[in-house]
Amino acid sequence: EVQLVESGGGLVQPGGSLRLSCAASGFTFSNYWVHWVRQAPGKGLVWVSRVNGDGSSTSYADSVKGRFTISRDNAKNTLYLQMSSLRAEDTAVYYCARAGVGYCTSTSCYPAFDIWGQGTMVTVSS
Amino acid sequence: QSALTQPASVSGSPGQSITISCTGTSSDVGGYNSVSWYQQHPGKAPKLMIYDVSNRPSGVSNRFAGSKSGNTASLTISGLQAEDEADYYCSSYTSSSTPYVFGTGTKVTVL
Repeated sequence: EVQLVESGGGLVQPGGSLRLSCAASGFTFSNYWVHWVRQAPGKGLVWVSRVNGDGSSTSYADSVKGRFTISRDNAKNTLYLQMSSLRAEDTAVYYCARAGVGYCTSTSCYPAFDIWGQGTMVTVSS
Repeated sequence: QSALTQPASVSGSPGQSITISCTGTSSDVGGYNSVSWYQQHPGKAPKLMIYDVSNRPSGVSNRFAGSKSGNTASLTISGLQAEDEADYYCSSYTSSSTPYVFGTGTKVTVL
């Protein structure tokens, strides 16, 4: 079965750090870009970060740039999100998602998020 | 990058059709055929319903259809069923520093 399973969420104080993990199974993990998307309580989905198949290319939302680091270990089929200098506004459910379907041009691909994990809750509070 | 604009809520009776709009700009919805739609039931992860404006993943009912005109994309649900009651989000690739943007979300209620 193709799936993603997040872990590592919890309660952390403002200014603290946390590392999220996302374990992939059922597909060739290294062939796909993978992303983090978050959702604050009662709010909408917000894109956070992405990494390409071999980990050499990353992107971040402006709101987390310089504080969050995305990485992957293809030998372990695992995606990570290292979060530091956490703020109350980072409180959210964090989802990992595979970018697996979509069209490509001669120069770029624009995939949609076809597989999602169940999410892990991060609460930043004193 | 601002979120794409969706109506906060849409409702319909069983068997009816409803349409959810998703308005962006020429830098996102209007500039790429990469609009996707996600269904999210309470407490659950989002599920991909439409990608590349109008393509359905395997297993998604053909009652769901996507389209786009200019800077506005739309999701139409026909033959509305109780199980369709959920939140729906559109998304698009963008040319901004943030490569993807989501819509504000629409709560669909089946009356």
